[in-house]
Amino acid sequence: DAKTTQPNSMESNEEEPVHLPCNHSTISGTDYIHWYRQLPSQGPEYVIHGLTSNVNNRMASLAIAEDRKSSTLILHRATLRDAAVYYCILRGRTSGTYKYIFGTGTRLKVLA
Amino acid sequence: NAGVTQTPKFQVLKTGQSMTLQCAQDMNHEYMSWYRQDPGMGLRLIHYSVGAGITDQGEVPNGYNVSRSTTEDFPLRLLSAAPSQTSVYFCASSLASGGRDEQFFGPGTRLTVL
Repeated sequence: DAKTTQPNSMESNEEEPVHLPCNHSTISGTDYIHWYRQLPSQGPEYVIHGLTSNVNNRMASLAIAEDRKSSTLILHRATLRDAAVYYCILRGRTSGTYKYIFGTGTRLKVLA
Repeated sequence: NAGVTQTPKFQVLKTGQSMTLQCAQDMNHEYMSWYRQDPGMGLRLIHYSVGAGITDQGEVPNGYNVSRSTTEDFPLRLLSAAPSQTSVYFCASSLASGGRDEQFFGPGTRLTVL
């Protein structure tokens, strides 16, 4: 199964942008890059996903490196409600056949 | 839509007891999966299903059984509960099993095995 590597924790000040990195050097051509986040005492929730091009939605932006071996989740203005664990996951037919494999994620702390 | 629902929310079992965690979705999703999350850890995949009648093992399948007789339901059965199975269990579903579809998670079942 293709693996992802993320920093254990990061801090950000409120209302500043946050860049959460993810390395996935063994990614295959058909793997999508997914990001989820988990707020305290809740189930994970979908944030964004992409294949090759950068993606934007109402929650965040996803910047994907040209060689696809890394990606960055961008929260444009962090709020206290964005404090959560963020997971970067590869999903596709060749990354373990239909499986989502969660890593340990990055715990984001937002400072008021 | 109710989304993904899980019952019960909390459960306490004694070692050796069996029980079934229920999961249902009303979005006509093909793909469903079960995860466990131990304190301070990430999610680990137990079993998954790509459609009715089709199930497969994830990372940590031992001690658990699943079945998928309908599109809507994906119950997880603990055969003989052990303290090591104390965890929070999440069920999830997505429209299809390909790479493009987001997963929707249930609220979780917190299980304690004494």
